[in-house]
Amino acid sequence: KAGVTQTPRYLIKTRGQQVTLSCSPISGHRSVSWYQQTPGQGLQFLFEYFSETQRNKGNFPGRFSGRQFSNSRSEMNVSTLELGDSALYLCASSPGTGGEKLFFGSGTQLSVL
Amino acid sequence: DQQVKQNSPSLSVQEGRISILNCDYTNSMFDYFLWYKKYPAEGPTFLISISSIKDKNEDGRFTVFLNKSAKHLSLHIVPSQPGDSAVYFCAASATDSGYALNFGKGTSLLVTP
Repeated sequence: KAGVTQTPRYLIKTRGQQVTLSCSPISGHRSVSWYQQTPGQGLQFLFEYFSETQRNKGNFPGRFSGRQFSNSRSEMNVSTLELGDSALYLCASSPGTGGEKLFFGSGTQLSVL
Repeated sequence: DQQVKQNSPSLSVQEGRISILNCDYTNSMFDYFLWYKKYPAEGPTFLISISSIKDKNEDGRFTVFLNKSAKHLSLHIVPSQPGDSAVYFCAASATDSGYALNFGKGTSLLVTP
């Protein structure tokens, strides 16, 4: 079974631009979550989608948004990039029934210059 | 606010000895706890989990202990191997409060030969 796939692997953007990250979950998994990892803050929850609906959202500004498609693939968008958005963005999938482990992708390393 | 805390940023252990990684949490609604291992620029890999109805779970060299009254859990690795050197994240979730994992900031384990 293929794991969670994230594209692109690396991304360099400048302040003010916007970026879209993509995630393909494990086949059969209906839940996709996004996390941001920075050296100072560790892994912080962004949002979780299940069957194309956002089920849960973390404490991030509205510049961070996401969506999920009918095939469970998900995209995350960050608009008006700031220097502080430089981070490793991790996508995770799970069956979505709750109380279960998440399977993570390798992440997209975003650098904002 | 950080609901899951790993107070030791780093730990160094000799090969063959026991590694003990600690984690504290503040939210009494958490009912599922996990440990993840992470290498730089990669996604976290699931190690072991424990439900709040148990106080111990074992998988090979890895054992997780949960003390609900103290809101504390620990991961024991016996015997430690150089390949165990990585960052270990403790995570917790509350089934009735959504599906997000709350992560600690991680403990960097170094196992020396």
